[in-house]
Formats: sequence, C-alpha cells, structure tokens
Amino acid sequence: DAKTTQPPSMDCAEGRAANLPCNHSTISGNEYVYWYRQIHSQGPQYIIHGLKNNETNEMASLIITEDRKSSTLILPHATLRDTAVYYCIVRAYTGTASKLTFGTGTRLQVTL
Amino acid sequence: DAGVTQSPTHLIKTRGQHVTLRCSPISGHKSVSWYQQVLGQGPQFIFQYYEKEERGRGNFPDRFSARQFPNYSSELNVNALLLGDSALYLCASGTGEVWEQYFGPGTRLTVT
Repeated sequence: DAKTTQPPSMDCAEGRAANLPCNHSTISGNEYVYWYRQIHSQGPQYIIHGLKNNETNEMASLIITEDRKSSTLILPHATLRDTAVYYCIVRAYTGTASKLTFGTGTRLQVTL
Repeated sequence: DAGVTQSPTHLIKTRGQHVTLRCSPISGHKSVSWYQQVLGQGPQFIFQYYEKEERGRGNFPDRFSARQFPNYSSELNVNALLLGDSALYLCASGTGEVWEQYFGPGTRLTVT
C-alpha cells in the first residue's frame, strides 16, 4: 500500500469549509484513496473513497488531483461534531481482504 | 439495527496472563477484523476473518490469535500479556469491502 502524508493538525471555524490534504505521491494505478475519521473514544468511521474522479456524498467531497499524487477531503460546513482525527488511506482493491493501514492522521479541531 | 458490539468494555490484566476479547458483527456481515490502537497512534491491523477463514494477518507475534465462529462472531486471544499490549482493541465488521467496515466501540485493555 502506498504511503500517505498528512498534516498532524488543523483548525477550522464552525460553518466554514474544512479542507484536509493528503499526499500519496507513490500511489499505483489500481489503488484507491479512502478517508476514515475517528471521533474521540469511538471506532473509526468510513467517510468516502475514490479512484481518480472527484466524489461527493452526504458527508464530504473528495478531490483527487489529475496525477493522483494528492487529494483533499472537504467538509463543506464543518460543525463541532466534526472534530476528530481524519485518516487518509491508500489501498488497492483486493476483493474480500479489507485490511486498512492507518497512519497518524490529521487532528481537526472545529471551533466556535 | 444493532451496531458492532464488543465485550468487555474495559479490562485490567496482569503481565503474563491471558485475555479473550469478543466481537459480535452487524447482522449479515461475514467479515470481522481486529485492530490494536495504542494511545496517540492510528489503529494497527491484527487479523481479518471472512467466512471463518483468515484473510489477513498483521505484524503481531504468535501470542495473538483469533477465530471466527459459524455465526460470524469472533474472539481475539492474547497470551502471555506484556505491558505493551495495553491498548484499545477495535473490531470491525463488514461485507469484506474496504469501504464497508463498521467499527465497534472497542475494548480498553490495561496490563499492569
């Protein structure tokens, strides 16, 4: 699995967009980008994933650069409940072998 | 619908003892994965079972073992506990797809 690099921490004002970057310069053509988050004292929660096209769901948007070497998770209107550690994970599709390799992630603090 | 359940919630053991952690997946899920999360770090993959077969094993010593039962519930066993085994142990159930993993609240193990 390709290595990812994320800033250790970020702040965001409530109601503003939170843009969380991830660098994955060694990503291979068959590897997807996944984002999970972990709110304090809870298990990680899946947010979104993509291969090369931008993706959007009810939680967030994922923007992947054309060369796929980096991506940005966008929370359009951050709330206090979005305060969490956000993990960017790169993983090839391997059928039913679903191991996740977590790094140290980005700690997002949403403030009033 | 009930989420992933883990038992016990908290556990205190002494060095050298053995521990068994339990996980009940979401109904219909055939995949169960175990992760260890040491304070301040991201979760580290230990095992994945799918349809009662081991589909992946992380870089953990043989003191760690797991199994999955016919009802898809799972146990994680750790023998000869060390102080360094103190961590939050997370169970994730899913369909086997990387993006369809639902984590339980975890078992907090403290080894003294």
